[in-house]
Amino acid sequence: GQQVMQIPQYQHVQEGEDFTTYCNSSTTLSNIQWYKQRPGGHPVFLIQLVKSGEVKKQKRLTFQFGEAKKNSSLHITATQTTDVGTYFCAGLGNTDKLIFGTGTRLQVFP
Amino acid sequence: DAGVTQSPTHLIKTRGQQVTLRCSPISGHKSVSWYQQVLGQGPQFIFQYYEKEERGRGNFPDRFSARQFPNYSSELNVNALLLGDSALYLCASSLSGGNQPQHFGDGTRLSIL
Repeated sequence: GQQVMQIPQYQHVQEGEDFTTYCNSSTTLSNIQWYKQRPGGHPVFLIQLVKSGEVKKQKRLTFQFGEAKKNSSLHITATQTTDVGTYFCAGLGNTDKLIFGTGTRLQVFP
Repeated sequence: DAGVTQSPTHLIKTRGQQVTLRCSPISGHKSVSWYQQVLGQGPQFIFQYYEKEERGRGNFPDRFSARQFPNYSSELNVNALLLGDSALYLCASSLSGGNQPQHFGDGTRLSIL
């Protein structure tokens, strides 16, 4: 079945440093979504990418969808303590099942 | 407007028992999905319903079942509970399915003793 992996599993950064998490699917995706989950909270939708090679920005966050629509990345510029949480990608294949990745847990030290 | 609401928030059961979890979607959303999240892992897809029809099922045993009602609310039932069923059960609603942003509730924390 469809699998979605993310690396790294954990990332500890100093406030102000950049952060990137990578997402890889075993199958071609029709779209990919990104979510953030704070400790003790629920996943919160960040963005959806649909087109091959698509790049979207939200303030300090940059999201990219690979040309082959099998991978994606999230880059945060100049991290802040409010960025702490686990970032999940979630991919939709040729079924209606949204498969979540393994997540990258980000810790930001002031 | 109210977000996705789930009940109960916490539940403690023993092995072999049965449990029913409930979810009310955001007004106007016709699709509800259920996920199981074990501590330290990503949400695992269990079911997706749209307009009362099952649209997708994840790799969970037949002990797991769900349904969606005419008002688009949903229930997740788990029979013959096992210790491994201990997890956070998340409900997410969307306008029409997995190709739309998912709006999650706070979840039900299920503990099996």
